[in-house]
Amino acid sequence: AQKITQTQPGMFVQEKEAVTLDCTYDTSDPSYGLFWYKQPSSGEMIFLIYQGSYDQQNATEGRYSLNFQKARKSANLVISASQLGDSAMYFCAMREGWGKIIFGKGTRLHILP
Amino acid sequence: KAGVTQTPRYLIKTRGQQVTLSCSPISGHRSVSWYQQTPGQGLQFLFEYFSETQRNKGNFPGRFSGRQFSNSRSEMNVSTLELGDSALYLCASSLGELAGGPYNEQFFGPGTRLTVL
Repeated sequence: AQKITQTQPGMFVQEKEAVTLDCTYDTSDPSYGLFWYKQPSSGEMIFLIYQGSYDQQNATEGRYSLNFQKARKSANLVISASQLGDSAMYFCAMREGWGKIIFGKGTRLHILP
Repeated sequence: KAGVTQTPRYLIKTRGQQVTLSCSPISGHRSVSWYQQTPGQGLQFLFEYFSETQRNKGNFPGRFSGRQFSNSRSEMNVSTLELGDSALYLCASSLGELAGGPYNEQFFGPGTRLTVL
C-alpha cells in the first residue's frame, strides 16, 4: 500500500540557511510521482516541485530542489537560502499511476530572522 | 487565467444537516479532486472526478458524495453531518489528460471551512 512519511513535525531554521525537509515513501508500483506543496498560514496550497519515478535527474525549481533517492525511497525537499516567507507547512505527496494522491502529515517550517 | 474557486468559503451547520460545497476548476482542466484537512488527520483524499466520472475514491463513509458536471465544475455533498466533519475542504484541479501523464500539477482552491455545531 502506498504510504508517505514526514518525520519532522516542526523545524526552526535561521534565515539564509539551507533547509532539508524529509520525506520517505512506500510503494510497489514502479510508476509514481512525488510532489511537494507549501501551505502558508493563509491556507492555500501551493505546488512547489514534482519528481517522476522514471526521471533520471533530480527536479529543481528556483530555490527548491528535490533530492530523489529511489533505492532508499526518499524524496527530500531542499530549500536553498531560506527566507522569512518560507515559513509555512510543507507537505510531501505521492501518486501511483492514475490512482489517488496521498499526502504526508506535513512539516511546519519556521524561519528565524 | 482564473484560479480554482470554491464556494462558500465558510459554512456553519448543525449536526444532522447536509451540506453541498462547490468547486469551479481552472478553465480547460478536466480533473477535480477533493480533500478534507483537519489538524488531527491531516490531508485526506476524498475523491477525484475526471470527465464526469469518479476515477478514485478515498476511505470515507457513504455520507460523502460528489459529482462533476459537463463543464467540469464539481460539487461534494455531506449528508447527516457529524461534529467530526468540521474541517477545511480543499478542491484541486488538474489537466488530467493522459498525454500529460498522471503527474500533472494540481492547483488548489482556497478551501471551504465547514464548522459543524
